[in-house]
Amino acid sequence: SAVISQKPSRDICQRGTSLTIQCQVDSQVTMMFWYRQQPGQSLTLIATANQGSEATYESGFVIDKFPISRPNLTFSTLTVSNMSPEDSSIYLCSVEPGTTEAFFGQGTRLTVV
Amino acid sequence: GQNIDQPTEMTATEGAIVQINCTYQTSGFNGLFWYQQHAGEAPTFLSYNVLDGLEEKGRFSSFLSRSKGYSYLLLKELQMKDSASYLCAVKDSNYQLIWGAGTKLIIKP
Repeated sequence: SAVISQKPSRDICQRGTSLTIQCQVDSQVTMMFWYRQQPGQSLTLIATANQGSEATYESGFVIDKFPISRPNLTFSTLTVSNMSPEDSSIYLCSVEPGTTEAFFGQGTRLTVV
Repeated sequence: GQNIDQPTEMTATEGAIVQINCTYQTSGFNGLFWYQQHAGEAPTFLSYNVLDGLEEKGRFSSFLSRSKGYSYLLLKELQMKDSASYLCAVKDSNYQLIWGAGTKLIIKP
């Protein structure tokens, strides 16, 4: 199993600014996943973060908008840059330490005004 | 493309049984998962099926038919705390999780 501490839990930000979300895992994991979940919708994978290499971004997501850091095997950050109201969403980090279940951070509820 | 379909919303009565269906079309299959997500919270793992058949875990059971691309989650003896969204997810050939939009389950007394 894995326990993930994610912060902040929520924030209200001005458009044009940036927010960095942090996730700390209680064990070493190879990959960390960053998701976005808009109200009433499924989880959408933004990128996969590996330690020591650049993150792999999914279609529709770019590094300039969502830069990711992965300095070690227990920590990662996702930055939402130059925010607009369309970026208002819940952002979740996740790990899969075994071959089956995924574990999630508590989520960051972002509102851009 | 890859697609997972599940009903948007279901309503059931406390103490009853409810079945939430999920159909999937993915490039490859490496397991099907059900997660529970209470409003404002992160998803939590409920069940995992990789072979055909029924997996039972307490009040919750999950069924898989790979040939039909079909699964269901069965919840028995419903309690008010079971009110939540239930997410179906499949791992594709790249072991990437593909998520359904979730089924919001409303339990009435």
